[in-house]
Amino acid sequence: EAGVTQFPSHSVIEKGQTVTLRCDPISGHDNLYWYRRVMGKEIKFLLHFVKESKQDESGMPNNRFLAERTGGTYSTLKVQPAELEDSGVYFCASSQDLVLAGPQETQYFGPGTRLLVL
Amino acid sequence: QKEVEQDPGPLSVPEGAIVSLNCTYSNSAFQYFMWYRQYSRKGPELLMYTYSSGNKEDGRFTAQVDKSSKYISLFIRDSQPSDSATYLCAMSKEDGANNLFFGTGTRLTVIP
Repeated sequence: EAGVTQFPSHSVIEKGQTVTLRCDPISGHDNLYWYRRVMGKEIKFLLHFVKESKQDESGMPNNRFLAERTGGTYSTLKVQPAELEDSGVYFCASSQDLVLAGPQETQYFGPGTRLLVL
Repeated sequence: QKEVEQDPGPLSVPEGAIVSLNCTYSNSAFQYFMWYRQYSRKGPELLMYTYSSGNKEDGRFTAQVDKSSKYISLFIRDSQPSDSATYLCAMSKEDGANNLFFGTGTRLTVIP
């Protein structure tokens, strides 16, 4: 079974440019999460999709970040315009339906996208 | 104040040593406690999880949760060079949101 995949693995852009990150969750996983790790800090939650709906976007830093999940499959996270402080590693995770998996489902993480804004 | 505190290390031990990793937290709403292992250039991988207080053992790994002290630990017995990785504690609340709150991670090196 394929794991969570993320594309690109690395991205270097200039301040003010736009970048779009993609996440393909494990097939059949309804829950999709985005997290971010800024250098030297802990991994922090950004948002959570259940199928195509945003369940919780309380961690999104500001309106320069836009996440979508088309048809409840893959998800994209767009940063526009990018700022220096957006540099970090963006992780995507997915998990099964909560009813099937129980009260605390396992989140499976992708390898991350390393974003550097110059 | 961070909700989850974890000593970043780095921690170096000889092969065969017992390793103790720990985290403290401030929010009493946390009910699920997890340890993730992350190898270089990879995503975090769930190692163990515990609900509420108590111990859980899986092979060479033991997770302990002390909710009264807001303190969790991961012990690795007979450590192996393949255990060299960054270990992240993570927690979530019992509110159905399942968002994870992570520590900064402890980098462990097991020397052959």
